[in-house]
Amino acid sequence: GENVEQHPSTLSVQEGDSAVIKCTYSDSASNYFPWYKQELGKRPQLIIDIRSNVGEKKDQRIAVTLNKTAKHFSLHITETQPEDSAVYFCAASRADSWGKLQFGAGTQVVVTP
Amino acid sequence: SQTIHQWPATLVQPVGSPLSLECTVEGTSNPNLYWYRQAAGRGLQLLFYSVGIGQISSEVPQNLSASRPQDRQFILSSKKLLLSDSGFYLCAWSGTSGVPRYFGPGTRLTVL
Repeated sequence: GENVEQHPSTLSVQEGDSAVIKCTYSDSASNYFPWYKQELGKRPQLIIDIRSNVGEKKDQRIAVTLNKTAKHFSLHITETQPEDSAVYFCAASRADSWGKLQFGAGTQVVVTP
Repeated sequence: SQTIHQWPATLVQPVGSPLSLECTVEGTSNPNLYWYRQAAGRGLQLLFYSVGIGQISSEVPQNLSASRPQDRQFILSSKKLLLSDSGFYLCAWSGTSGVPRYFGPGTRLTVL
């Protein structure tokens, strides 16, 4: 089955700096890669996703890149703000099993003013 | 807009006791529904998913079960809880694309 590894487990950044979270996946048939943000004690929220026919996707200060050959994808947050502090999860799934997302272990991002 | 309700919000149960968690969805019809569990400081683990009434797929062998008695209702149950069942249980739904885009507020279960 699919295995998703996520690094780093914790990330401290100064406000205004960029944050990068990296994930690798094992199933070459995976072709959908969402990212979720979870604030303390709250539900995960989908913040951005990318499909395998696209190499990069951007939405304001966040962007995701995908390298299918290397089987890794990354989340980039630019100009970080204190409200970006949260746990971020990557996930991967196959087209024939969209609902069966395999999640990474999460990255605790702390943005210090 | 779609809304997901889960209850109870928190639950403390003794080992060996039964469990029933409920999830209901508003504002959509024929959704795909999912139960995920999140252990403390960990990622989300898919437990069950359902594409329709009475249709349940189990992802992880365990002492939990799920049922979907109505189109917008998804129930997670156990006859006898284990300590390892403690965690944050999240219900999610998706449309026909199958991607769980929206999560419910969750139920925090502590088994003592």
